Amino acid sequence: EPEVTQTPSHQVTQMGQEVILRCVPISNHLYFYWYRQILGQKVEFLVSFYNNEISEKSEIFDDQFSVERPDGSNFTLKIRSTKLEDSAMYFCASSANRGYEQYFGPGTRLTVT
Amino acid sequence: AQSVTQLDSHVSVSEGTPVLLRCNYSSSYSPSLFWYVQHPNKGLQLLLKYTSAATLVKGINGFEAEFKKSETSFHLTKPSAHMSDAAEYFCVVANNNNDMRFGAGTRLTVKP
Repeated sequence: EPEVTQTPSHQVTQMGQEVILRCVPISNHLYFYWYRQILGQKVEFLVSFYNNEISEKSEIFDDQFSVERPDGSNFTLKIRSTKLEDSAMYFCASSANRGYEQYFGPGTRLTVT
Repeated sequence: AQSVTQLDSHVSVSEGTPVLLRCNYSSSYSPSLFWYVQHPNKGLQLLLKYTSAATLVKGINGFEAEFKKSETSFHLTKPSAHMSDAAEYFCVVANNNNDMRFGAGTRLTVKP
């Protein structure tokens, strides 16, 4: 069964550094998403992406965040200058089309020290 | 705007007894509703979903949920808990664009 994959599973970085979290969505899916879950808190929507453009973003997704689909298979989330409060589990998801079920990856745990 | 409220942050049951995890939703249109499960150090797994077909939805691992529009509820139930059901459960509402909003989660503990 096809699945969403994410790398790395755990990333440790120093405050102020840039990080790139990578996701490989299911191959024929058209919509891509990033979510964040701070430890002990709810899963929060960050951004959705379609046709090489951001289709919706939350208030969390400020100028330090960016997303990209660089090569037709990967979908990346970049955090330009990490802060301590960026420490969280980041989930990628994809769906075949608008309104279809989202499939989630296993997540990347980001620790900012 | 849509949102969900999970009424219990923690539910504890004994193995073999029924499970009830409560969820109320708020939406200005006909929502799609989902329950996801997250086991420790694992990703999110879809248990079941409601998308305006049958109001009683059956999912994996013996779970089911009933959509009650009059009560704006989508509670998750299972007749008999198993130790492997211990996990975090999230109720999720989605709009027509499939933009999802998660509840705060309910941690289910199953006692032997």
